[in-house]
This record gives sequence, C-alpha cells and structure tokens, in this order.
Amino acid sequence: EVQLVESGGGVVQPGGSLRLSCAASGFTFDDYAMHWVRQAPGKGLEWVSLISGDGGSTYYADSVKGRFTISRDNSKNSLYLQMNSLRTEDTALYYCAKDISTISRHFDYWGQGTLVTVSS
Amino acid sequence: AIRMTQSPSSFSASTGDRVTITCRASQGISSYLAWYQQKPGKAPKLLIYAASTLQSGVPSRFSGSGSGTDFTLTISCLQSEDFATYYCQQYYSYPLTFGQGTRLEIK
Repeated sequence: EVQLVESGGGVVQPGGSLRLSCAASGFTFDDYAMHWVRQAPGKGLEWVSLISGDGGSTYYADSVKGRFTISRDNSKNSLYLQMNSLRTEDTALYYCAKDISTISRHFDYWGQGTLVTVSS
Repeated sequence: AIRMTQSPSSFSASTGDRVTITCRASQGISSYLAWYQQKPGKAPKLLIYAASTLQSGVPSRFSGSGSGTDFTLTISCLQSEDFATYYCQQYYSYPLTFGQGTRLEIK
C-alpha cells in the first residue's frame, strides 16, 4: 500500500525558514517523480515543485522559485522541501504527491498534508 | 503559465442526476489533462488522466472528454459520495496548473 506522510509544518514568522519532509513507502521510490502541491485555507490547489526520480531534474512554480528547494534522499525514501524567505502568502497545507509514472506530471497518490502558517 | 478555467464554480444537484463540469485551457494542451475529486478535510483523489482515461478503482459513472482547450467531466448518475469539489489540472507544460475548482453540493 502506497503511503506518503508529511511532517515539518508549523508556525513561522515572515522571512523565516522551514523544512518539510515526506516519508514514502509501498512503492519503488526512485522510479517516480515526486511533487509538492499546496492549498491555502479555503482555496484551490497550487502546484509548487517537482523532482525527478534520480533527483537530477527539478521544476518550480514562479511564486516559489529562488526561495524553495526540493530534494530527495532515495536511500531513505524521503522527499523534502526547504522553504526560505517565507511570506504570509505561503500559508497553506502542503501535500506531498507521487507522480503516476516516471515523470508524467500528474498525481496518483497524495499524503494528508502538513500545515505551514506564516504569521508575525 | 496556462490558465485553467472551470465552470461552473459551484452548483447544486440531486442524487441520480447527470452532471457535467467544464474546464477550459487558455491555450491548447492536447490531452494532457487530469481531473481530481477532493472532499472536505481530505487529500485530492485522481479520477481521470489523459483527458479520458479512468484511473484504476474509479467508478465507471465518471467519464472525461475533450482535447485542445475544452474538456468536460461527466458524472452519469450522482451518488451521495460524489458531492465534493472537483479540479482539473493541465500537465502539458510547466508550471503545472489547476482550475479554481467546482464545488458540487446537494440540492
């Protein structure tokens, strides 16, 4: 059974940093691209970032480019999102999502999310 | 970025109804479109990809169609568990983008 469990969310001041983690199980982790998708309270879905299975390719939404860094450790079946220079508009529930295949760019499994609140 | 526009944003329907949700892309995306269902407090669930391919385990009352810029999600006979918010997503180009969502409520 595929499981994705996010952690690392919390309350941080504007300008601060936070690192999110996603622990994956139930599939061959390095065979699949992984994504972060976020959802502001009461709002829709926003794709944040993608990393290929080998970690060699990364892509970002314009809203986070230069501030967020996606990475993965295939030896630990883990995905990460380093978030720097956080803004109030980054407040959201952050989901880790598995790509449906190598890098098809749509998502067949999602975690339950970890909440990030940026507030002074 | 490709803009995805769903219509309607919300509407009410009854169990047993046939409903259609529309998604329009600001430029052609071939068939690189997925549909997701999200219930309150839950993560989204993939329903359809490649515009019309049903994800494994999804009931056959769900169907998708379209290509280019105009797409539809149809639920042939609404069940109580189908009342949720639905999102389309294009994966033709980066950044990947979602529609604003369509909230389907019980009449």
